[in-house]
Amino acid sequence: KAGVTQTPRYLIKTRGQQVTLSCSPISGHRSVSWYQQTPGQGLQFLFEYFSETQRNKGNFPGRFSGRQFSNSRSEMNVSTLELGDSALYLCASSYGAENTGELFFGEGSRLTVL
Amino acid sequence: GESVGLHLPTLSVQEGDNSIINCAYSNSASDYFIWYKQESGKGPQFIIDIRSNMDKRQGQRVTVLLNKTVKHLSLQIAATQPGDSAVYFCAETYGSSNTGKLIFGQGTTLQVKP
Repeated sequence: KAGVTQTPRYLIKTRGQQVTLSCSPISGHRSVSWYQQTPGQGLQFLFEYFSETQRNKGNFPGRFSGRQFSNSRSEMNVSTLELGDSALYLCASSYGAENTGELFFGEGSRLTVL
Repeated sequence: GESVGLHLPTLSVQEGDNSIINCAYSNSASDYFIWYKQESGKGPQFIIDIRSNMDKRQGQRVTVLLNKTVKHLSLQIAATQPGDSAVYFCAETYGSSNTGKLIFGQGTTLQVKP
């Protein structure tokens, strides 16, 4: 069974640009969550999608957005990039059952903003 | 605010010894706790979980203990192996609708000396 796939793995952008990251969950998983990982702030929850609907949202500005498609694949977008957006963006999928924390993470997309 | 933290940033142990990684949480409403392991260049990997109605749960070579009185949980790894070298995160969630929304601690780096 294939794991969670994130693309691209690495990317470099400049301030003010926007970026779109993609996540393909494990087959059969309906929930996709996104996390930002930085050395200073650690792992921080961005948002979660389940059956194409945003189910939970973290404390990030509106520049961070996401969506989920009918095949459960998800994308997240960051507009007007800032230097502080440099981070590893991790996607995680699960079946979406209530109150379970067993998430399956991808290897992440490492974004560098110059 | 809510936070989940680890007591020590780095733990160094001898191969074959037992390891204990600690975590403190501040949200009394948290009812589900999870340990994740992150190896270099990879996404976090689920290790074991425990619900608030339990004090102890055992897996293969790992045991998680939960002390709700002092809001503390620990991960014990028996007979630590070089492959256990990684960063370990505790995470919490609460409420049945918060699937996928985990609050992670800062992480403890486990170094296993041969």
